[in-house]
Amino acid sequence: QVQLQESGPGLVKSSETLSLTCTVSGGSMNNYYWNWIRQTPGAGLEWIGYIHSSGSTKYNPSLKSRVTISLDTSKNQFSLKVTSVTAVDTAVYFCARGSYDIPTGYWEWFDPWGQGTLVTVSS
Amino acid sequence: DIQMTQSPSSLSASVGDRVTITCRASQDIRDDLAWFQQKPGKAPNRLIYAASNLQSGVPSRFSGSGSGTEFTLTISCLQSEDFATYYCLQHNSYPYSFGQGTKLEIK
Repeated sequence: QVQLQESGPGLVKSSETLSLTCTVSGGSMNNYYWNWIRQTPGAGLEWIGYIHSSGSTKYNPSLKSRVTISLDTSKNQFSLKVTSVTAVDTAVYFCARGSYDIPTGYWEWFDPWGQGTLVTVSS
Repeated sequence: DIQMTQSPSSLSASVGDRVTITCRASQDIRDDLAWFQQKPGKAPNRLIYAASNLQSGVPSRFSGSGSGTEFTLTISCLQSEDFATYYCLQHNSYPYSFGQGTKLEIK
């Protein structure tokens, strides 16, 4: 079955750019929505945004000006960049898949997920 | 933005109990709601989609109901492996948003 795996630096300096990659294995990236979600003890789970296999994107306005999600289907990967990070960006970052099931008409968000990766922003 | 409010925030129960967790949306989200279970150090795992549809492979003791602004997740007969944190998610409008979580603990 499809598996997702996040990778990237676990430590980023304040004001710099956080960069993470999610590698998709066991299935195609076509016709799916590829999401980033983060989790902190204080703010809980926060949806960051997605990129569709067509290249269209949608971002959470709370982060929109600092976030870019990109796609490389040749490598079966999608990536997250968050610029100008501060301590509040310290979180566990997850990637996850979304889809629309045409026969049932159901949107099926966030299944499966990657295992998550902790990113700490240091001053 | 749509706010999702879960109650209770924590719950103590025993194996074999029936428990219900509620999620309220700040506006009508139809049935655009999912429920997730998360264990420490792991990613969330989807249990229910479209408010009441059981994810393949999830035990039938889990069920979801509701539409509009009020939703419930029920576990009919708690098993030891069910002690975890549960989250609801609305995907009716952007930005998608989660409830703050309900931690289910052993009594």
